Amino acid sequence: SQQGEEDPQALSIQEGENATMNCSYKTSINNLQWYRQNSGRGLVHLILIRSNEREKHSGRLRVTLDTSKKSSSLLITASRAADTASYFCATEPGNAGNMLTFGGGTRLMVKP
Amino acid sequence: DVKVTQSSRYLVKRTGEKVFLECVQDMDHENMFWYRQDPGLGLRLIYFSYDVKMKEKGDIPEGYSVSREKKERFSLILESASTNQTSMYLCASTRTPNEKLFFGSGTQLSVL
Repeated sequence: SQQGEEDPQALSIQEGENATMNCSYKTSINNLQWYRQNSGRGLVHLILIRSNEREKHSGRLRVTLDTSKKSSSLLITASRAADTASYFCATEPGNAGNMLTFGGGTRLMVKP
Repeated sequence: DVKVTQSSRYLVKRTGEKVFLECVQDMDHENMFWYRQDPGLGLRLIYFSYDVKMKEKGDIPEGYSVSREKKERFSLILESASTNQTSMYLCASTRTPNEKLFFGSGTQLSVL
């Protein structure tokens, strides 16, 4: 089963608005990552947050991690039409030797 | 710039054919991965390799094999393609396991 589950599955907003996507996971983790995928293409790494970190920023992206709730959120501020894509969270389980596990993704549409 | 190249963007094969998907990376990464992506299921790990001639099964290895004869190249082999192997196949590589994967553009395989 998937370790990470994104919510919502789909999100539609207007350009300039903020977009928030959430990821919940089941077991302890070492790190959590967010990736972006444009339609029909490969994934691009956006940001990595470690289990001992609570918040991280990269440009218009803000990621938070709450290990007590086993959840993370990705905030895209002042969204642009070019942000239209699918966004995936991926978790590295805390048990050694376990590989990165991806969620089902959130499809974001930003309308101009 | 970092690059992971998959040999084909689109591939159409017939049931029972032997299929080779090739992936080459130019970053001297030790770790390489093959995922398949299906709607609603996210990315599922088929096989990975952490060194030349080394391979490990992922979550869904049945019906697949891999080859890593050189560090830069990781091949996925479908010994006898079946219709349920119609999917998007994504190759990725990384220097540090479970951190910041670099993905290829993907191969959309259709088995008829």
